Amino acid sequence: DIVMTQSPDSLAVSLGERATINCKSSQSLLYSSNNKNYLAWYQQKPGQPPKLLIYWASTRESGVPDRFSGSGSGTDFTLTISSLQAEDVAVYFCQHYYGSPPYTFGQGTKLEMK
Amino acid sequence: QVQLQESGPGLVKPSETLSLTCEVSGYSISSGYYWGWIRQPPGKGLEWIGSIYHSGSTYYNPSLKSRVTISVDTSKNQFSLNLSSVTAADTAVYYCAKPTLSVAYNWYFALWGRGTLVTVSS
Repeated sequence: DIVMTQSPDSLAVSLGERATINCKSSQSLLYSSNNKNYLAWYQQKPGQPPKLLIYWASTRESGVPDRFSGSGSGTDFTLTISSLQAEDVAVYFCQHYYGSPPYTFGQGTKLEMK
Repeated sequence: QVQLQESGPGLVKPSETLSLTCEVSGYSISSGYYWGWIRQPPGKGLEWIGSIYHSGSTYYNPSLKSRVTISVDTSKNQFSLNLSSVTAADTAVYYCAKPTLSVAYNWYFALWGRGTLVTVSS
Protein backbone atom coordinates (compact mmCIF):
# COMPACT_ATOMS: atom_id res chain seq x y z
CA ASP A 1 0.00 0.00 0.00
CA ILE A 2 1.06 3.58 -0.62
CA VAL A 3 1.84 5.39 2.63
CA MET A 4 0.88 9.05 2.88
CA THR A 5 2.77 11.15 5.42
CA GLN A 6 1.79 14.70 6.25
CA SER A 7 3.83 17.39 7.94
CA PRO A 8 3.55 19.06 10.29
CA ASP A 9 1.04 17.26 12.52
CA SER A 10 -0.17 20.64 13.75
CA LEU A 11 0.32 24.21 12.72
CA ALA A 12 -0.59 27.59 14.21
CA VAL A 13 -0.84 30.54 11.83
CA SER A 14 -1.91 34.14 12.38
CA LEU A 15 -4.98 35.58 10.70
CA GLY A 16 -4.12 36.71 7.20
CA GLU A 17 -0.84 34.82 7.09
CA ARG A 18 0.11 31.91 4.82
CA ALA A 19 -0.37 28.31 5.90
CA THR A 20 1.53 25.48 4.24
CA ILE A 21 0.83 21.78 4.72
CA ASN A 22 2.94 19.06 3.17
CA CYS A 23 2.08 15.55 2.04
CA LYS A 24 4.59 12.94 0.94
CA SER A 25 3.71 9.63 -0.70
CA SER A 26 5.80 6.46 -0.52
CA GLN A 27 5.64 6.13 -4.30
CA SER A 28 5.01 8.44 -7.18
CA LEU A 29 1.42 9.50 -7.78
CA LEU A 30 2.21 10.82 -11.26
CA TYR A 31 0.73 8.76 -14.08
CA SER A 32 2.97 9.33 -17.08
CA SER A 33 0.35 8.59 -19.73
CA ASN A 34 -1.80 11.59 -18.76
CA ASN A 35 0.71 13.62 -16.70
CA LYS A 36 -1.73 13.77 -13.77
CA ASN A 37 -0.99 13.43 -10.08
CA TYR A 38 -3.59 11.32 -8.29
CA LEU A 39 -3.74 13.33 -5.07
CA ALA A 40 -6.65 15.02 -3.28
CA TRP A 41 -6.89 17.33 -0.28
CA TYR A 42 -9.76 17.53 2.21
CA GLN A 43 -10.74 19.89 5.00
CA GLN A 44 -12.56 18.57 8.06
CA LYS A 45 -14.16 20.67 10.76
CA PRO A 46 -15.32 19.20 14.09
CA GLY A 47 -18.44 17.09 13.81
CA GLN A 48 -18.48 17.30 10.03
CA PRO A 49 -17.48 14.93 7.23
CA PRO A 50 -14.42 15.79 5.18
CA LYS A 51 -14.90 18.37 2.44
CA LEU A 52 -13.08 17.96 -0.85
CA LEU A 53 -10.86 20.98 -1.59
CA ILE A 54 -8.41 19.92 -4.28
CA TYR A 55 -8.07 17.01 -6.71
CA TRP A 56 -5.50 16.12 -9.36
CA ALA A 57 -3.09 17.76 -6.88
CA SER A 58 -3.96 21.28 -8.00
CA THR A 59 -7.55 21.52 -9.27
CA ARG A 60 -9.86 23.35 -6.89
CA GLU A 61 -13.28 21.84 -6.30
CA SER A 62 -16.16 24.07 -7.31
CA GLY A 63 -16.95 26.64 -4.63
CA VAL A 64 -13.60 26.38 -2.84
CA PRO A 65 -12.09 29.85 -2.25
CA ASP A 66 -9.07 30.68 -4.38
CA ARG A 67 -6.92 31.25 -1.29
CA PHE A 68 -6.62 27.44 -1.28
CA SER A 69 -4.12 26.03 -3.74
CA GLY A 70 -2.43 22.71 -4.29
CA SER A 71 0.96 22.06 -5.82
CA GLY A 72 3.60 19.41 -6.22
CA SER A 73 4.22 16.34 -8.31
CA GLY A 74 5.46 12.80 -7.98
CA THR A 75 5.83 12.14 -4.28
CA ASP A 76 5.80 15.62 -2.72
CA PHE A 77 2.74 17.81 -2.49
CA THR A 78 1.69 21.00 -0.74
CA LEU A 79 -1.59 22.59 0.26
CA THR A 80 -1.29 26.34 0.69
CA ILE A 81 -3.77 28.74 2.21
CA SER A 82 -2.57 32.13 1.06
CA SER A 83 -4.28 34.25 3.70
CA LEU A 84 -5.69 32.37 6.67
CA GLN A 85 -9.27 33.12 7.62
CA ALA A 86 -10.95 32.14 10.88
CA GLU A 87 -13.15 29.64 9.07
CA ASP A 88 -10.09 27.77 7.78
CA VAL A 89 -9.31 26.36 11.24
CA ALA A 90 -9.73 22.63 10.67
CA VAL A 91 -7.90 19.37 10.12
CA TYR A 92 -6.56 18.81 6.61
CA PHE A 93 -6.00 15.41 4.99
CA CYS A 94 -4.35 14.33 1.77
CA GLN A 95 -5.47 11.18 -0.04
CA HIS A 96 -3.97 9.32 -2.96
CA TYR A 97 -6.11 7.63 -5.60
CA TYR A 98 -3.37 6.23 -7.80
CA GLY A 99 -3.72 2.80 -9.35
CA SER A 100 -5.94 0.19 -7.74
CA PRO A 101 -7.27 0.34 -4.17
CA PRO A 102 -6.63 0.71 -1.29
CA TYR A 103 -6.58 4.49 -1.42
CA THR A 104 -4.96 5.81 1.70
CA PHE A 105 -5.08 9.09 3.59
CA GLY A 106 -2.44 11.07 5.40
CA GLN A 107 -2.67 11.20 9.18
CA GLY A 108 -4.00 14.75 9.11
CA THR A 109 -2.67 18.20 9.96
CA LYS A 110 -4.46 20.30 12.54
CA LEU A 111 -4.47 23.96 11.58
CA GLU A 112 -5.08 26.46 14.38
CA MET A 113 -5.14 30.21 14.70
CA LYS A 114 -2.18 31.80 16.42
CA GLN B 1 -29.32 17.03 -5.09
CA VAL B 2 -27.61 13.79 -4.15
CA GLN B 3 -27.60 12.98 -0.45
CA LEU B 4 -26.23 10.09 1.57
CA GLN B 5 -27.49 9.02 4.99
CA GLU B 6 -25.94 6.37 7.20
CA SER B 7 -28.04 4.40 9.66
CA GLY B 8 -27.54 1.55 12.08
CA PRO B 9 -26.89 0.70 15.72
CA GLY B 10 -24.64 3.06 17.62
CA LEU B 11 -23.45 0.37 20.01
CA VAL B 12 -22.14 -3.07 19.11
CA LYS B 13 -20.77 -5.72 21.48
CA PRO B 14 -17.26 -7.11 21.01
CA SER B 15 -17.09 -10.16 18.71
CA GLU B 16 -20.44 -9.28 17.12
CA THR B 17 -21.14 -7.90 13.65
CA LEU B 18 -21.44 -4.20 12.91
CA SER B 19 -24.13 -3.50 10.30
CA LEU B 20 -24.75 -0.15 8.67
CA THR B 21 -26.80 1.03 5.72
CA CYS B 22 -26.33 4.05 3.48
CA GLU B 23 -29.48 5.38 1.87
CA VAL B 24 -28.92 7.35 -1.31
CA SER B 25 -31.39 10.01 -2.39
CA GLY B 26 -31.40 12.19 -5.49
CA TYR B 27 -29.50 9.68 -7.62
CA SER B 28 -30.05 6.10 -8.68
CA ILE B 29 -27.31 3.75 -7.50
CA SER B 30 -27.95 1.72 -10.65
CA SER B 31 -26.71 4.62 -12.78
CA GLY B 32 -23.10 4.06 -11.80
CA TYR B 33 -20.23 4.85 -9.43
CA TYR B 34 -18.43 2.75 -6.88
CA TRP B 35 -20.10 3.72 -3.60
CA GLY B 36 -17.76 3.67 -0.64
CA TRP B 37 -17.44 3.24 3.11
CA ILE B 38 -14.78 5.16 5.04
CA ARG B 39 -14.23 5.24 8.78
CA GLN B 40 -12.54 7.51 11.29
CA PRO B 41 -11.71 6.48 14.87
CA PRO B 42 -12.30 9.32 17.34
CA GLY B 43 -9.58 11.93 17.00
CA LYS B 44 -7.75 9.95 14.33
CA GLY B 45 -7.38 9.73 10.57
CA LEU B 46 -9.47 8.32 7.76
CA GLU B 47 -9.47 4.72 6.54
CA TRP B 48 -11.10 3.53 3.33
CA ILE B 49 -13.01 0.31 4.07
CA GLY B 50 -14.34 -0.69 0.68
CA SER B 51 -16.51 0.20 -2.28
CA ILE B 52 -19.29 -1.41 -4.31
CA TYR B 53 -20.79 -1.03 -7.80
CA HIS B 54 -24.47 -1.55 -8.50
CA SER B 55 -23.62 -4.87 -10.16
CA GLY B 56 -22.25 -6.07 -6.84
CA SER B 57 -18.60 -5.76 -7.79
CA THR B 58 -16.60 -4.91 -4.69
CA TYR B 59 -13.19 -3.75 -3.59
CA TYR B 60 -12.09 -4.10 0.03
CA ASN B 61 -9.21 -2.76 2.04
CA PRO B 62 -6.87 -5.75 2.48
CA SER B 63 -6.45 -4.82 6.14
CA LEU B 64 -10.15 -5.50 6.74
CA LYS B 65 -11.01 -7.86 3.89
CA SER B 66 -11.42 -10.97 6.03
CA ARG B 67 -14.13 -9.27 8.12
CA VAL B 68 -15.90 -6.96 5.65
CA THR B 69 -18.87 -7.51 3.40
CA ILE B 70 -20.43 -4.69 1.40
CA SER B 71 -23.69 -5.30 -0.41
CA VAL B 72 -26.08 -3.27 -2.53
CA ASP B 73 -29.86 -3.20 -2.80
CA THR B 74 -30.76 -1.30 -5.95
CA SER B 75 -34.50 -1.65 -5.30
CA LYS B 76 -34.09 0.35 -2.10
CA ASN B 77 -31.31 2.54 -3.55
CA GLN B 78 -29.00 1.74 -0.69
CA PHE B 79 -25.82 -0.13 0.11
CA SER B 80 -24.70 -1.76 3.32
CA LEU B 81 -21.63 -2.56 5.37
CA ASN B 82 -21.13 -5.61 7.56
CA LEU B 83 -17.99 -5.84 9.70
CA SER B 84 -17.67 -9.02 11.70
CA SER B 85 -15.82 -9.93 14.90
CA VAL B 86 -15.55 -6.32 16.01
CA THR B 87 -13.28 -5.10 18.76
CA ALA B 88 -12.81 -1.74 20.46
CA ALA B 89 -10.43 -0.83 17.64
CA ASP B 90 -13.43 -0.72 15.30
CA THR B 91 -15.00 2.12 17.28
CA ALA B 92 -15.25 4.94 14.75
CA VAL B 93 -17.42 7.31 12.82
CA TYR B 94 -18.46 5.45 9.70
CA TYR B 95 -19.10 7.46 6.55
CA CYS B 96 -20.59 6.46 3.25
CA ALA B 97 -19.34 8.42 0.27
CA LYS B 98 -19.73 8.87 -3.47
CA PRO B 99 -16.66 9.33 -5.64
CA THR B 100 -16.48 12.10 -8.19
CA LEU B 101 -15.39 9.85 -11.05
CA SER B 102 -17.62 7.10 -12.38
CA VAL B 103 -14.74 4.75 -13.02
CA ALA B 104 -13.59 1.41 -11.65
CA TYR B 105 -10.59 2.97 -9.93
CA ASN B 106 -9.16 6.32 -8.89
CA TRP B 107 -11.75 7.48 -6.39
CA TYR B 108 -11.68 10.73 -4.53
CA PHE B 109 -14.82 11.69 -2.70
CA ALA B 110 -16.76 14.91 -3.15
CA LEU B 111 -19.93 13.71 -1.47
CA TRP B 112 -20.09 12.27 2.03
CA GLY B 113 -22.82 11.30 4.43
CA ARG B 114 -22.84 12.99 7.82
CA GLY B 115 -21.39 9.89 9.41
CA THR B 116 -22.55 7.69 12.25
CA LEU B 117 -20.60 6.87 15.39
CA VAL B 118 -20.40 3.19 16.21
CA THR B 119 -19.01 2.26 19.59
CA VAL B 120 -17.84 -1.28 20.30
CA SER B 121 -18.34 -2.02 23.97
CA SER B 122 -19.91 -4.61 26.19
